[in-house]
Amino acid sequence: NAGVMQNPRHLVRRRGQEARLRCSPMKGHSHVYWYRQLPEEGLKFMVYLQKENIIDESGMPKERFSAEFPKEGPSILRIQQVVRGDSAAYFCASSARGGRRTYEQYFGPGTRLTVT
Amino acid sequence: AQKVTQAQTEISVVEKEDVTLDCVYETRDTTYYLFWYKQPPSGELVFLIRRNSFDEQNEISGRYSWNFQKSTSSFNFTITASQVVDSAVYFCALGTGFQKLVFGTGTRLLVSP
Repeated sequence: NAGVMQNPRHLVRRRGQEARLRCSPMKGHSHVYWYRQLPEEGLKFMVYLQKENIIDESGMPKERFSAEFPKEGPSILRIQQVVRGDSAAYFCASSARGGRRTYEQYFGPGTRLTVT
Repeated sequence: AQKVTQAQTEISVVEKEDVTLDCVYETRDTTYYLFWYKQPPSGELVFLIRRNSFDEQNEISGRYSWNFQKSTSSFNFTITASQVVDSAVYFCALGTGFQKLVFGTGTRLLVSP
């Protein structure tokens, strides 16, 4: 049973370019989350999606960041016009259930984004 | 507001020592969930445990044990007879309904042979 898959594992972008991070949830999971981990810090929630729906985007920066989870295919976190401060590890997680209880989230290996 | 504090930034022990990682949380919700994750040097996060606020029983899984005390808002994690493979960063996290986890800043555990 494959776990959460993320690609690429490492991504280097120059300032002003776009970064696209992909996440395929565990088989049978329909809830996807994105978190960002800055160096030497804990993870910060960014967004929670279900298929074709954004459920909670309270942690997303207002500009340049967007996320989607289409009916077919992986979830995508898109960062436009990257800046050095976007350099971080971006983790995707998935869970089998949602609703009013917080269920265990299984994390992918992360994408390390470096902006030069 | 929800908050998780892991006051221990780094702990160093020698193999076979017992070690306790502290976690203190803040929330006004009466229903909440607590988690521990392990982040080894390879970088991925590994789920260790989930507890809900209504279940204060301590839990033991092999060399791992967890002590949940609502009176002190703590959810501490003990590794018995530590091993080098336990070296990692350990994160405590809080969920207060729905699916947003609030993480502490992590405790780096170094186990030397």
